[in-house]
Amino acid sequence: RKEVEQDPGPFNVPEGATVAFNCTYSNSASQSFFWYRQDCRKEPKLLMSVYSSGNEDGRFTAQLNRASQYISLLIRDSKLSDSATYLCVVNRSGNQFYFGTGTSLTVIP
Amino acid sequence: GAVVSQHPSWVICKSGTSVKIECRSLDFQATTMFWYRQFPKQSLMLMATSNEGSKATYEQGVEKDKFLINHASLTLSTLTVTSAHPEDSSFYICSARDIRGEKLFFGSGTQLSVL
Repeated sequence: RKEVEQDPGPFNVPEGATVAFNCTYSNSASQSFFWYRQDCRKEPKLLMSVYSSGNEDGRFTAQLNRASQYISLLIRDSKLSDSATYLCVVNRSGNQFYFGTGTSLTVIP
Repeated sequence: GAVVSQHPSWVICKSGTSVKIECRSLDFQATTMFWYRQFPKQSLMLMATSNEGSKATYEQGVEKDKFLINHASLTLSTLTVTSAHPEDSSFYICSARDIRGEKLFFGSGTQLSVL
């Protein structure tokens, strides 16, 4: 089983829609969780960390469910500029970071 | 957030030549840096973990003698692709953990094209 599993999509949504991505991880001892955004031929950029209490940054909300071992990202009022690949990243410990395959999002006018 | 600089952004070279890619942490000391390769429409693949002052740790299937990693200082790691071949053409990215060791920050990547 992969350390981190993510639906690759693609997700094609109209502007203004709400879209949610999930990511599951296999190791219950994982410590830190993140969502990154990657544009084509660019490096991943940190979007937000994910905490058990849930956290929100503008139109973006991240949730962590330790019991079910998944993290989620909710994007409200999608913009064209949100089109990208969203990566979930899990840090088990120390230098052990594991990446999902990424979920492709296209926001359509 | 922390800044990681990667250079060069693009490299086109002839088959058989060696290419060096630099990764610098600009505003923090990075005892550990990571090197990845990414093929089009595929996920990041970790190649090796670079440790300052010691040998890099390579992932299974990555040739140590082909992908030479040097991490001579707390702010600089280099990846040298030796005797590059067309199949080595890929997007290479480095990353470093921030000061608190929680998050990863990535260099801007190097697109290598071997003719």
